[in-house]
Formats: sequence, C-alpha cells, structure tokens
Amino acid sequence: GQQVMQIPQYQHVQEGEDFTTYCNSSTTLSNIQWYKQRPGGHPVFLIQLVKSGEVKKQKRLTFQFGEAKKNSSLHITATQTTDVGTYFCAGQGMDSSYKLIFGSGTRLLVRP
Amino acid sequence: KAGVTQTPRYLIKTRGQQVTLSCSPISGHRSVSWYQQTPGQGLQFLFEYFSETQRNKGNFPGRFSGRQFSNSRSEMNVSTLELGDSALYLCASSLRTGSDTQYFGPGTRLTVL
Repeated sequence: GQQVMQIPQYQHVQEGEDFTTYCNSSTTLSNIQWYKQRPGGHPVFLIQLVKSGEVKKQKRLTFQFGEAKKNSSLHITATQTTDVGTYFCAGQGMDSSYKLIFGSGTRLLVRP
Repeated sequence: KAGVTQTPRYLIKTRGQQVTLSCSPISGHRSVSWYQQTPGQGLQFLFEYFSETQRNKGNFPGRFSGRQFSNSRSEMNVSTLELGDSALYLCASSLRTGSDTQYFGPGTRLTVL
C-alpha cells in the first residue's frame, strides 16, 4: 500500500539557522498537506499543495511539491523558538479512497 | 465556529477492559477520521466515517471499531484493551472527505495499565 516517508526524524538547530524536512511517497500523490503539532498540542493544518512543481510561501516557511508529485519539502528560514514542534506531511493517493497517509513527522527543536 | 471536541481528555484503563471515546466535529463537517498517535509510530489512520458509514479503514485489529451518528458525532470503541493500546487518540473532522483539510481535536490520552 501507499507509504509516506519523512526525514529527518529529529532536527536540533540553533535559533536563526535554517531547517528543512523532506517527504517521499511510494506512489504518485494527488495532493500533499502539511501540519504542525506543537508539544502537547494537536496537529494544525498549514498548507496544501496540488500542482506538480508547486511552490508556496508562508512568511519564513517555503513548501515545495516535486515535479513527479511523489515528494515534497518544507523549508524554514531563520528558525525561531516558536517554530518548535513536529511537522507532518500527509499525502492523498491518486485512487479514489479519499484517504490521507501521514508521514512519521520531523521533530524540530530550536536552541535559543 | 467551535472546534472539534473530544471526550474524555484523559482515561486510565486496565488490560482486558473496553473503552469508548467520543468526538464532536465542527458544525457542518460530515467526515470524521480517527488516528492513533504514539511516540514511535507517528499518526496511524484508524478509520473514517461519512454519513454514518465507514468509508475507509486502516490496518488495525477488529478490536478497534467506530460509528457515526446522524448529527456527524462519532464514537470509537476499543475492546479487550492491551498495554500497546496506550496512545493519544485524535479525531479529525473535514468538510466532505477524509482527504480534505483535517481539523484535529485535542485528543484523548488513553493509558492502559
């Protein structure tokens, strides 16, 4: 079945450094979503990418969807302590199951 | 609009018991999905309900079941609890399908002793 892998599992950065998490699917995706979960909280929707090669920005966050629609990345420029949390990607396959498969998440820790 | 609510927020049970968790979706949302979150396994999809019908199911044993009512509220039941069932159970509602934007509730933290 469809699998979504996410790397790295953990990333510990100094405040001000950049951060990137990568998401790879075993199958072509219809779309991909990104979520952020703060420590002790629940996942919160960040963005959805639908088109091949799509790039979207939200302030310091840049999201990319690969040309083949099988991979995606989230890049944070100049991390801040408020960026701490776990970032999940979630992909929907090309079948009609309307099911999201979540990646295992990347936990970001930021040293002040 | 009020967000997704889940009750109870915390639960402690012993092995062999059963448990029922409740989820009230955002008003107007018809799809409810359930996820199990553990430190080592991330977010694992349990099932999705739409219009009182289970539309999708993850790879969990039959001890895990759910249902949805006509007002879109959903319940999840786990029978014959095992130690490994200890986890955060998250409910998410979405407008139409399980692949629409998921709005998560705060979760129910289940501890099995």
